[in-house]
Amino acid sequence: EAGVAQSPRYKIIEKRQSVAFWCNPISGHATLYWYQQILGQGPKLLIQFQNNGVVDDSQLPKDRFSAERLKGVDSTLKIQPAKLEDSAVYLCASSPKDRYNEQFFGPGTRLTVL
Amino acid sequence: AQKVTQAQTEISVVEKEDVTLDCVYETRDTTYYLFWYKQPPSGELVFLIRRNSFDEQNEISGRYSWNFQKSTSSFNFTITASQVVDSAVYFCALSDLGDTGFQKLVFGTGTRLLVSP
Repeated sequence: EAGVAQSPRYKIIEKRQSVAFWCNPISGHATLYWYQQILGQGPKLLIQFQNNGVVDDSQLPKDRFSAERLKGVDSTLKIQPAKLEDSAVYLCASSPKDRYNEQFFGPGTRLTVL
Repeated sequence: AQKVTQAQTEISVVEKEDVTLDCVYETRDTTYYLFWYKQPPSGELVFLIRRNSFDEQNEISGRYSWNFQKSTSSFNFTITASQVVDSAVYFCALSDLGDTGFQKLVFGTGTRLLVSP
């Protein structure tokens, strides 16, 4: 079974630029999550999708971050414009329907904002 | 509100020593799940264990063991006879229904374990 795929693995941009990350969850997984992990901290949930609907985006900085999950499969997370404090690893995870406790994580995208 | 506290920021041990990583949690729910994840230098989160709040039995898996005590809201992780390959950041996490009605996973700040030869 293929795992959660993310791209790119690394990205370096300058502040005020835009950036987008892509995630392809495990086939058939209804729930998709985006986490932000700042260096030295644990992952923090940014947004959770159930199919293509948003379940929880309470910690998503909506003035600059946006996410979508068209067709309930893969997802993109965008930052526009980026700030220095957005430097972090962005992790995508997915879980099967009704088994929300079984989250499978992707390798993450490491973002550096200069 | 959900909260996970890992008070140990970094632990250094010599190979073959036993080491315990502490985890204390807070939740208002009576049904919840506790997890441990390993994050090696490669960055990917590796699932180690999940326990539900109704199962307080301790668990052993090879050199790993977990001690779940609801009375003290703790879920500690012990590595016996540590090895260099155990060097990683270990995260404790809690999942409960939170405010959305969907399970929400909250992580602690992690404990970095350094095992030297």
